[in-house]
Amino acid sequence: AQSVTQLDSHVSVSEGTPVLLRCNYSSSYSPSLFWYVQHPNKGLQLLLKYTSAATLVKGINGFEAEFKKSETSFHLTKPSAHMSDAAEYFCVVSEGIGNTPLVFGKGTRLSVIA
Amino acid sequence: DVKVTQSSRYLVKRTGEKVFLECVQDMDHENMFWYRQDPGLGLRLIYFSYDVKMKEKGDIPEGYSVSREKKERFSLILESASTNQTSMYLCASRPWRDQPQHFGDGTRLSIL
Repeated sequence: AQSVTQLDSHVSVSEGTPVLLRCNYSSSYSPSLFWYVQHPNKGLQLLLKYTSAATLVKGINGFEAEFKKSETSFHLTKPSAHMSDAAEYFCVVSEGIGNTPLVFGKGTRLSVIA
Repeated sequence: DVKVTQSSRYLVKRTGEKVFLECVQDMDHENMFWYRQDPGLGLRLIYFSYDVKMKEKGDIPEGYSVSREKKERFSLILESASTNQTSMYLCASRPWRDQPQHFGDGTRLSIL
């Protein structure tokens, strides 16, 4: 069975400083992994996806994530936070077996302080 | 760009009413999903459909049903609305397994 753990429910950073949002996963197969962002009162938007190609994945808005199989991690990073990055972020895993739905983490709320 | 459209952004209904939430996608996607989102609980899967007229229960199907008569439309039905069904409801679609899902903007439903 697959599962996702987002290690922080809330992260607060100052504008211009690095962002690190942590995610660990559990999967019986070679998973696909995604990060989504949700701004207030909006749906979820795909930031980036890993599907067994390069382990360092670049996404939109300057975000990137590194797949580390040995650590079963897929942490999201950004070198310099912007005020517009304040949102909820979800780490998601898919085993790609049958039609099983994606499994979502509980989310990390990112606050950016001016 | 894929567009997933939910018929209402905000909806207020009374307890006991039958409520319909509609979702339409424009990219011929095979799979469609309904979630509810509550503070502290993240996204919880209610039902999903991997093909027309097919449906599968998710994690919290009680009190809900779904309909998928056409590929592009997936409806969520609250058979007899209750106050504990007040929530944000999100619809999503994807082309096939292992692909990212595309989300609508959500319907914030209040049951009074």
